[in-house]
Amino acid sequence: VLTQSPDTLSLSPGDRASLSCRASQSVSSNFLGWYQQKPGQAPRLLIYGASNRATGIPDRFSGSGSGTDFTLTINRLEPEDFAVYYCQQYGGSPAFGQGTRLEIK
Amino acid sequence: QVQLVQSGAEVKRPGTSVRVSCKVSGGTFTSYAISWVRQAPGQGLEWMGEIIPMFGSEHYAQKFQDRVKIIADESTRTVSMELSRLTSDDTAVYYCVRDGEASRSGVISSRWFDPWGQGTLVTVTS
Repeated sequence: VLTQSPDTLSLSPGDRASLSCRASQSVSSNFLGWYQQKPGQAPRLLIYGASNRATGIPDRFSGSGSGTDFTLTINRLEPEDFAVYYCQQYGGSPAFGQGTRLEIK
Repeated sequence: QVQLVQSGAEVKRPGTSVRVSCKVSGGTFTSYAISWVRQAPGQGLEWMGEIIPMFGSEHYAQKFQDRVKIIADESTRTVSMELSRLTSDDTAVYYCVRDGEASRSGVISSRWFDPWGQGTLVTVTS
């Protein structure tokens, strides 16, 4: 089970966002990904392997962590970054966290 | 560049079945692992199952195991998901997504979910 916190995060453009994802058991081989989803769109891969940016993802997005605790950090928030973010454990039986909504303050 | 294009929206009656298709372009079709993920209105993402054509293997989430079937047709490069015994709780957007590449040595790499299809809305209503 993956638990994300907070459920909602209210910030302003230019702020730094820190989103947490905690696993009930250690995530093997850091098989942890982060996805961004905007209304009416499919999710988009941001980070894989806990800390690797996917192709075309700006460097203001970064992932960190290992074992059971992972973090997605977004520096200098842009207006287009306000969306819902999901963490995911992949491989085996994949599972998603419940999501964190990042909204404009 | 791999692309996944899904079939159009469906409206179904409770108790019936729905089949959603996903056409895969680019790359070696049989080497891809393809998963299905659904999202009920206003809710999060829920993994349903996957297929790996190279190995002829399917793997389903326990929740759906008795009423979902995923098949792959190499001739049309299409993966289909059929969900039976529909209820209103199955109303959701259904996504196909690539979740790995298999090699003949048995290794499956790149197990993250990318790219995604555009989604197919399935509405179950009486």
